Amino acid sequence: EAGVAQSPRYKIIEKRQSVAFWCNPISGHATLYWYQQILGQGPKLLIQFQNNGVVDDSQLPKDRFSAERLKGVDSTLKIQPAKLEDSAVYLCASSTTEQYFGPGTRLTVT
Amino acid sequence: AQSVTQLGSHVSVSEGALVLLRCNYSSSVPPYLFWYVQYPNQGLQLLLKYTTGATLVKGINGFEAEFKKSETSFHLTKPSAHMSDAAEYFCAVSYSGGYQKVTFGTGTKLQVIP
Repeated sequence: EAGVAQSPRYKIIEKRQSVAFWCNPISGHATLYWYQQILGQGPKLLIQFQNNGVVDDSQLPKDRFSAERLKGVDSTLKIQPAKLEDSAVYLCASSTTEQYFGPGTRLTVT
Repeated sequence: AQSVTQLGSHVSVSEGALVLLRCNYSSSVPPYLFWYVQYPNQGLQLLLKYTTGATLVKGINGFEAEFKKSETSFHLTKPSAHMSDAAEYFCAVSYSGGYQKVTFGTGTKLQVIP
């Protein structure tokens, strides 16, 4: 069974630029999550999808972050414009009863 | 609201010694509890989980954890540490209702000394 795929693995951008991350969940998993993991901290949920609908985006900074999950499968997370404090690893996970995580995208904002 | 507290951001043990990583949770409803491991530059991997039933849960790589409702704890143990256990460990809590929002602790980095 293929795992959760994410791309790119690494990204370096300057502040005020935009960036997008892609996630392909495990086939058949209806729930998809995006987490932000800042160095030295646990993952923080940014947004949770059930199929292509949003069920929790309470911690998503909506002035700069956006996410979509078209057709209830793949998802993209976008940051525009990026700030220095957005430097983190962005993890995607999908689940039925337990979460399976992708390898993450390490974002560095300079 | 649910939350997780992991005591000790760094734990060092000698190879072959007991590993004990502490986790306490807060949840207003019966919790689901998880331990994840994260190796450098990798995503999180599920070690074990408690949902219902037996309170002593066995996971992969020889780890186990015991759900103690009276102590609101879910500590992770392994009888004998191996060098390959060096990683960061995260405790997490969810619950049976709703859309399974998972709240993670801040993590404990385990160092294994040869």
